[in-house]
Amino acid sequence: EAQVTQNPRYLITVTGKKLTVTCSQNMNHEYMSWYRQDPGLGLRQIYYSMNVEVTDKGDVPEGYKVSRKEKRNFPLILESPSPNQTSLYFCASSLWGTGANVLTFGAGSRLTVL
Amino acid sequence: AQTVTQSQPEMSVQEAETVTLSCTYDTSESDYYLFWYKQPPSRQMILVIRQEAYKQQNATENRFSVNFQKAAKSFSLKISDSQLGDAAMYFCAYRSAISGGSNYKLTFGKGTLLTVNP
Repeated sequence: EAQVTQNPRYLITVTGKKLTVTCSQNMNHEYMSWYRQDPGLGLRQIYYSMNVEVTDKGDVPEGYKVSRKEKRNFPLILESPSPNQTSLYFCASSLWGTGANVLTFGAGSRLTVL
Repeated sequence: AQTVTQSQPEMSVQEAETVTLSCTYDTSESDYYLFWYKQPPSRQMILVIRQEAYKQQNATENRFSVNFQKAAKSFSLKISDSQLGDAAMYFCAYRSAISGGSNYKLTFGKGTLLTVNP
């Protein structure tokens, strides 16, 4: 089944404790992206990647890091989480190029930072 | 920068009736793509329908259709014969057709929460 898999789905952590949210897709998509969803704000892009070793900032990159060492994986790293990073996080992927390529989303990761 | 506005934070509809969700967007571009995504209580983001701006014909997917008014920058979603399973948060989203990494992102509205009453 074609899908984007995120882990963990739920996580409660404390301020300053480094964590990684993994994301993997099995569709051979070039483009991958992370979004965060907050009440009343919709979804906002954190980082994106157009292919292996090519990443760039989205609209709200502060406090996050990413890497793209393999085409299928795009982990989101919070080096020193803070309470304002409490949010619902989505990883998404799509083909890269012209056309209305549809973003396929993972199931979401609910993160709480105390 | 493009913006997407959903002016109805909440809507409700009776089962089997029709409801229309509003979406307007602001852009200076002439070519772009528009999407409606559904987010049920499971939180999964599910594509409902998409529209290419260069196409005049409104997109339709079963009970879901759009009214795309390019000059007015309006992209409303009509749900016919509403079902209990249609209850969800609905997001309108815009994507530029200009090539380039930063243009490839989806810009989302803040969402409309749809309740379906039995």
